[in-house]
Amino acid sequence: DVVMTQSPLSLPVTLGQPASISCRSSQSLVSSDGNTYLNWFQQRPGQSPRRLIYKVSNRDSGVPDRFSGSGSGTDFTLKISRVEAEDVGVYYCMQGTHWPRTFGQGSKVEIK
Amino acid sequence: EVQLLESGGDLVQPGGSLRLSCAVSGFTFSSCGMSWVRQAPGKGLEWVSGISTSGGSTYYADSVKGRFTISRDNSKNTLYLQMNSLRAEDTAVYYCAKDTAAPVIWGQGTMVTVSS
Repeated sequence: DVVMTQSPLSLPVTLGQPASISCRSSQSLVSSDGNTYLNWFQQRPGQSPRRLIYKVSNRDSGVPDRFSGSGSGTDFTLKISRVEAEDVGVYYCMQGTHWPRTFGQGSKVEIK
Repeated sequence: EVQLLESGGDLVQPGGSLRLSCAVSGFTFSSCGMSWVRQAPGKGLEWVSGISTSGGSTYYADSVKGRFTISRDNSKNTLYLQMNSLRAEDTAVYYCAKDTAAPVIWGQGTMVTVSS
């Protein structure tokens, strides 16, 4: 199985400051169709997960442009340019290239 | 509006069985692969199972292989997860989600508790 490793697992951030989460996979996530199925999800306290980013860098509808995704192969990053209070929650990367699908451990973003 | 509504969660004894359902609306169910993802209390997300549009291809996490069966009824716009030989470590909120490579819409989840 593909192991997804996130860091850091805890991220205290000052409001208005940037935040960055790394996600590394144990195998390349480039699919046979040429796409890289690396997704980012946000889970706010008490809520279901919400997809933010798909195929590395495509932001979902309604997702603020302060969220961005980048990376390739086995190394990926989620960046929040200026953290707002509503961004508190746990962020997960997930690979959708290989079966079984796998998630990272989750990175908890909190306000300092 | 796209909606996924899980049901069937309950308290069950170890070794018991349960069937979860996920009723969908607002999109063409028969055109979408579907997923089940679970989250144990206070823990992270764990992908459980996925199914192709026709139901002809199914996939499982090693932790549930041989015990859980995913299926779908496209005439009823409903996804299922049959869970047998349940263990304490299967205790979790179970979510269904639209799509298998990049789950885009998630239900609110249904709680399964395995305990004597």
